[in-house]
Amino acid sequence: KAGVTQTPRYLIKTRGQQVTLSCSPISGHRSVSWYQQTPGQGLQFLFEYFSETQRNKGNFPGRFSGRQFSNSRSEMNVSTLELGDSALYLCASSLVTSGTADTQYFGPGTRLTVL
Amino acid sequence: AQSVTQLGSHVSVSEGALVLLRCNYSSSVPPYLFWYVQYPNQGLQLLLKYTSAATLVKGINDFEAEFKKSETSFHLTKPSAHMSDAAEYFCAVSANYGGSQGNLIFGKGTKLSVKP
Repeated sequence: KAGVTQTPRYLIKTRGQQVTLSCSPISGHRSVSWYQQTPGQGLQFLFEYFSETQRNKGNFPGRFSGRQFSNSRSEMNVSTLELGDSALYLCASSLVTSGTADTQYFGPGTRLTVL
Repeated sequence: AQSVTQLGSHVSVSEGALVLLRCNYSSSVPPYLFWYVQYPNQGLQLLLKYTSAATLVKGINDFEAEFKKSETSFHLTKPSAHMSDAAEYFCAVSANYGGSQGNLIFGKGTKLSVKP
């Protein structure tokens, strides 16, 4: 099975622009979560989507948004980019089976640099 | 609220020596606990996870971790370090909120260096 794929792998934007990142989960996985990784703050949860609905959200401003499509693929959008948004954005997918600890499988990430 | 504390941002061991990476958690509900490894310019790879089935959890590449509720700890160990183990290791906790576990809370990470 193919793993989680994220596109693009690298992105350079300027302040004030917006950006869209894409994530394709492992086939059959229904949950997609997004995380931001920075040297200062570490790994922080952004949001989780399941069956096209956001069911968990982290403590990020409304400039960060996402969506999930019927095929479970997900996109996240950051509007009005700030320098502090420079980070590695990781996507993770999981199968979602009730009563067990689902393993999240991570993609390689998208490295966003804001100039 | 849940949290994870990893003691030691950097750990250095010699090849063949014991690896011990420390993780303490805080959770108001029975936790699910995970250890992930990240190699440079890559995503996270699961090493092992605790799901309450057994307190000693064995993972890939001879890593294991023991869940100690009384100490709220979930330390990661490996009997003999290999050069290829040099990476950053993250401990994470997830709450079992009715099956929704998409929110992992990570520790700050521990960079492991292995000296020849």
